[in-house]
Amino acid sequence: GAVVSQHPSRVICKSGTSVKIECRSLDFQATTMFWYRQFPKQSLMLMATSNEGSKATYEQGVEKDKFLINHASLTLSTLTVTSAHPEDSSFYICSAAGGVWTANTEAFFGQGTRLTVV
Amino acid sequence: QKEVEQNSGPLSVPEGAIASLNCTYSDRVSQSFFWYRQYSGKSPELIMSIYSNGDKEDGRFTAQLNKASQYVSLLIRDSQPSDSATYLCAVRGSARQLTFGSGTQLTVLP
Repeated sequence: GAVVSQHPSRVICKSGTSVKIECRSLDFQATTMFWYRQFPKQSLMLMATSNEGSKATYEQGVEKDKFLINHASLTLSTLTVTSAHPEDSSFYICSAAGGVWTANTEAFFGQGTRLTVV
Repeated sequence: QKEVEQNSGPLSVPEGAIASLNCTYSDRVSQSFFWYRQYSGKSPELIMSIYSNGDKEDGRFTAQLNKASQYVSLLIRDSQPSDSATYLCAVRGSARQLTFGSGTQLTVLP
């Protein structure tokens, strides 16, 4: 399958600071990227969907001014957690898909980023 | 009502047995169905995808889909300790995003 690289894998930051997470598609052009958040013992919850060159579509309850998503190129999307607080500590995972979208299109996951806000 | 529900775990099976994982979904127009395996602290990895009614086999894994009953399952034959993980059922409808179930934790006992 295609390769999606997410960086960093772990980050610890102080409360009130901002953290940027990168998601890169290494061997395909990602026309659509998804950002998920997963709290311990829970499933993946979709935060937002972004198409290259367009503004991201956020799920209900996700603050777009706090979780800034940029998808400026076909190989890179970034998620910036602004003014992070301890309750933002979670596992953030990106997923990317390329080509013409069909029902069979597979989205490939990055390795995930464990964010801890202290 | 949850959109994707999985049978409550944790599920324990002895090595070599068949593990059966179940999932139901509420959106009748769902088109694509996926099973992911997630090890602790890692991101999900795709095991199987299924799009039409019936069975789909890949090695020790068999996915079964019944759209009339809105039911999808995953069978793991000859279970190995390395199969111990959380298994996530995911469903996609007309929109592009996946909806995940809460996951079933499987433990294969040596």
